[in-house]
Amino acid sequence: EPEVTQTPSHQVTQMGQEVILRCVPISNHLYFYWYRQILGQKVEFLVSFYNNEISEKSEIFDDQFSVERPDGSNFTLKIRSTKLEDSAMYFCASTERRGETQYFGPGTRLLVL
Amino acid sequence: QKEVEQNSGPLSVPEGAIASLNCTYSDRVSQSFFWYRQYSGKSPELIMSIYSNGDKEDGRFTAQLNKASQYVSLLIRDSQPSDSATYLCAVMKTSYDKVIFGPGTSLSVIP
Repeated sequence: EPEVTQTPSHQVTQMGQEVILRCVPISNHLYFYWYRQILGQKVEFLVSFYNNEISEKSEIFDDQFSVERPDGSNFTLKIRSTKLEDSAMYFCASTERRGETQYFGPGTRLLVL
Repeated sequence: QKEVEQNSGPLSVPEGAIASLNCTYSDRVSQSFFWYRQYSGKSPELIMSIYSNGDKEDGRFTAQLNKASQYVSLLIRDSQPSDSATYLCAVMKTSYDKVIFGPGTSLSVIP
């Protein structure tokens, strides 16, 4: 069964460093998302992406964040200058049609020291 | 008012019993409703999606939606210890495509 994959599974970085989190959505899906979950808190929407542009973003998704689909398969989330409070699990999700079930990848656990 | 609310639990049920999980949402334009299961340290895994009023059954799981009451529930029949997890209620609004998650209800099934 097709699934969303994410790399790396864990990332440790120093405050102020740039990180890039990678995702490979399910191949026939057209809508892509990033969510994050701070330890012990709920899953929060960050950004949605369709047709090579952001369709919606949350207030969390400030200028430090960017997304890109550099080729036909990868979908990346970049955090330019990480802060301690960026430590969280980051989940990528995708769906074939808007409004339908979003399938989540296994997540990247980011720890900012 | 929070957009999606759930009892945080923990909800404990004996093995073989019915577990009942409840969720309310605040925005009437919500269109799509989902129940995800999340094991500790893992990603959300879809259990059920429901889009119209009434019941939807899939194996041991039944989702119930009442849009007039802005209420969604999940029943788990014949609960198993492997069902022990956090259950996330999630809602999607009309014309948006982000999913809004509730805080989750922790379920513990006691052997």
